[in-house]
Amino acid sequence: ETGVTQTPRHLVMGMTNKKSLKCEQHLGHNAMYWYKQSAKKPLELMFVYNFKEQTENNSVPSRFSPECPNSSHLFLHLHTLQPEDSALYLCASSQEVTGDTGELFFGEGSRLTVL
Amino acid sequence: AQSVTQLGSHVSVSEGALVLLRCNYSSSVPPYLFWYVQYPNQGLQLLLKYTTGATLVKGINGFEAEFKKSETSFHLTKPSAHMSDAAEYFCAVSESGGFKTIFGAGTRLFVKA
Repeated sequence: ETGVTQTPRHLVMGMTNKKSLKCEQHLGHNAMYWYKQSAKKPLELMFVYNFKEQTENNSVPSRFSPECPNSSHLFLHLHTLQPEDSALYLCASSQEVTGDTGELFFGEGSRLTVL
Repeated sequence: AQSVTQLGSHVSVSEGALVLLRCNYSSSVPPYLFWYVQYPNQGLQLLLKYTTGATLVKGINGFEAEFKKSETSFHLTKPSAHMSDAAEYFCAVSESGGFKTIFGAGTRLFVKA
């Protein structure tokens, strides 16, 4: 099993659909993250979970709803998205949220297209 | 507060030429520094990192970077570019933990035959 696995790799959805992105890490880490990567924009940190508890929500619209049932799994539930939400969504994990080097381990991303 | 500046959003080199990607940072405490690489439609992969100790850090694929505290820089180099090095490169700084990791805007490297 690779370190961080994301599914699906590609997703096309209409603005009225509900879908979910899934992330699983096999590294024994305690922290998991969702990042958004749009064309010509810096990486945007969306959500941070530490030991299953959400510790950061960077003013993300409510149409994005994260869920972290345990330290190994992270979901991003999508509902009534807009075309500008089309992007590559990256999941990452790290040993800790604070106190370690900050090295992040990324999944391969889920490419989302909203029609 | 931390920040990262990558000079040049695009860099083009010929195959076999030196690769130099520039990164400057600001940090209120001794930082941890990283270079990540991203190939098209892939996630970010760690190239190398500086935590403590030797300031010249060697990474994968022949890349290396030198931490220069006096210049607040962490430039990435490779003596001889290969076509497979074409990708986007991100410099990142962390003061304490993944939550505090800040990324630069990225530099896209093009390698000409």
